[in-house]
Amino acid sequence: EAAVTQSPRNKVAVTGGKVTLSCNQTNNHNNMYWYRQDTGHGLRLIHYSYGAGSTEKGDIPDGYKASRPSQENFSLILELATPSQTSVYFCASGDAGEVFFGKGTRLTVV
Amino acid sequence: GQQVQQSPASLVLQEGENAELQCNFSTSLNSMQWFYQRPGGSLVSLFYNPSGTKHSGRLTSTTVIKERRSSLHISSSQTTDSGTYLCALGSNYNVLYFGSGTKLTVEP
Repeated sequence: EAAVTQSPRNKVAVTGGKVTLSCNQTNNHNNMYWYRQDTGHGLRLIHYSYGAGSTEKGDIPDGYKASRPSQENFSLILELATPSQTSVYFCASGDAGEVFFGKGTRLTVV
Repeated sequence: GQQVQQSPASLVLQEGENAELQCNFSTSLNSMQWFYQRPGGSLVSLFYNPSGTKHSGRLTSTTVIKERRSSLHISSSQTTDSGTYLCALGSNYNVLYFGSGTKLTVEP
């Protein structure tokens, strides 16, 4: 089965600080995604990528940057973290078929 | 944007009863996927089912493209089935758009 690994699994950050969430997949999928999940909003797409070097905006990209330096790695960057970015973040990868998710990162911005 | 509606929002069953979860979408789809999630947990893929019917143990997924709907049937429910069930519509680059989920509680 596809393996998608996120790090860290839990993170507490201070307001105004920089946060980087990392994601690695070992299945050679072209597409990778970052979602956040909040009570009352469900899962929402932040950024996605269709290959190394590409990043595309999703539905809620404001306050986030993404980086895809290689086929395997896709990072989500919060340059100036705010309390409203407290959430659970999921990374995923997939191609034409099934999409596989990592276990999630719980981020708290204080 | 993509519109995915799930129903019911919540469901309470007695152990052994069956459940039918619905997912309706307003646009054409490239794919349909069903997930299971425990509170605070990760998303477990149950079915990748862009069309037709698929079975896995006590679970059955049916997607009817022309009617823009997909369903998940759970037979002989167990307490361990409790959790949230999410459907997701796949679009370009297989970007998934999620419904708001059905919270299932199975009581002993």
